[in-house]
Amino acid sequence: AQTVTQSQPEMSVQEAETVTLSCTYDTSESDYYLFWYKQPPSRQMILVIRQEAYKQQNATENRFSVNFQKAAKSFSLKISDSQLGDAAMYFCAYRFSGGGADGLTFGKGTHLIIQP
Amino acid sequence: NAGVTQTPKFRILKIGQSMTLQCTQDMNHNYMYWYRQDPGMGLKLIYYSVGAGITDKGEVPNGYNVSRSTTEDFPLRLELAAPSQTSVYFCASSGLAGGQDTQYFGPGTRLTVL
Repeated sequence: AQTVTQSQPEMSVQEAETVTLSCTYDTSESDYYLFWYKQPPSRQMILVIRQEAYKQQNATENRFSVNFQKAAKSFSLKISDSQLGDAAMYFCAYRFSGGGADGLTFGKGTHLIIQP
Repeated sequence: NAGVTQTPKFRILKIGQSMTLQCTQDMNHNYMYWYRQDPGMGLKLIYYSVGAGITDKGEVPNGYNVSRSTTEDFPLRLELAAPSQTSVYFCASSGLAGGQDTQYFGPGTRLTVL
């Protein structure tokens, strides 16, 4: 079974600085998707960024980018120019891209604190 | 377009009671999911459905039941509530399988079993 590990329970960064959140995963599959979700205090799960495993190019969404290392099974999230609104729990998630509709496998999350 | 809605937002149950958590989506999505989130943990899949009349177990299905009679609705039933079911429950939906599409999440239901 696949597993997702986030080794940083909490990270703190100064406003306007850059921070990187780590994620590693374990799977025997070669075709899958990886995601970063943001969960603010409101509890709403918000998709931040998605990466297809077959794409070598790292995904970017405005201030958010990933470093996807398939061989190392590593998927880190970089947040540039951190803003107070970025403060939240961040979850890394995996999903097999084969047939069926099995859901996401999540890590335990990283609590991101933004220092003003 | 409300997306994914869940009711109730909060609920306190006594041990042994039963209840149904409601989930509705208005995006005409075939795929729907129920997750639970325990304190300090990520979400874990309880059940999922690929369309009306078709459901299947996820990682943690014990103590729950689901049904899918329409495309829009995917209720989660707790028959005999136990303290271990104290959690936040999220419903989600997607238009495509296999990660091709974003999973849209509802706002969650916080359930406490005493």
